[in-house]
Amino acid sequence: IAGITQAPTSQILAAGRRMTLRCTQDMRHNAMYWYRQDLGLGLRLIHYSNTAGTTGKGEVPDGYSVSRANTDDFPLTLASAVPSQTSVYFCASSPVGGDEQFFGPGTRLTVL
Amino acid sequence: SQQGEEDPQALSIQEGENATMNCSYKTSINNLQWYRQNSGRGLVHLILIRSNEREKHSGRLRVTLDTSKKSSSLLITASRAADTASYFCATDHNDYKLSFGAGTTVTVRA
Repeated sequence: IAGITQAPTSQILAAGRRMTLRCTQDMRHNAMYWYRQDLGLGLRLIHYSNTAGTTGKGEVPDGYSVSRANTDDFPLTLASAVPSQTSVYFCASSPVGGDEQFFGPGTRLTVL
Repeated sequence: SQQGEEDPQALSIQEGENATMNCSYKTSINNLQWYRQNSGRGLVHLILIRSNEREKHSGRLRVTLDTSKKSSSLLITASRAADTASYFCATDHNDYKLSFGAGTTVTVRA
């Protein structure tokens, strides 16, 4: 692994289903982030973690949860997907909060 | 809420011309960053300018920051087709995370 990876690349999901988007980084960055990108709205922060073991809510956290059990992994879970969660999801990391962020390739999620 | 607002929303220029885009924000910052996103890809960091800096250069990129006006500009000189992308400003408001604007879409015509 070099940098930050996300899985899956894309997913079509039925409404009401549970889904976990995976994010892994190998740069030993302390901070990690989840964003959603919708046309015309730019990136909106869902949740973040400034260090392993801690998480915080971003601008649009409702319907999403995260965990940060270790430095490398930061999964995002949709407990019960709804069509409004159709979006492209990006994971990012930075050495510390507020620094330059490194982005993953994104997960395109469609909720029907 | 999103702090950075880019202007214009879209820009079309001829190869070789310069491209300028602006970013305004609402509250004081620790730093301001510019990112590029090619279609269907993740964002790539271009440049970071701190609140006590006024201008910064990186290759063909020039960024200015005016904290009194709460604004920044990104200039791309001698544009190339490969510069076609969306450009985002992001602001750090001393809270260890970034607020992104909606972006400027730049098209460089051959």
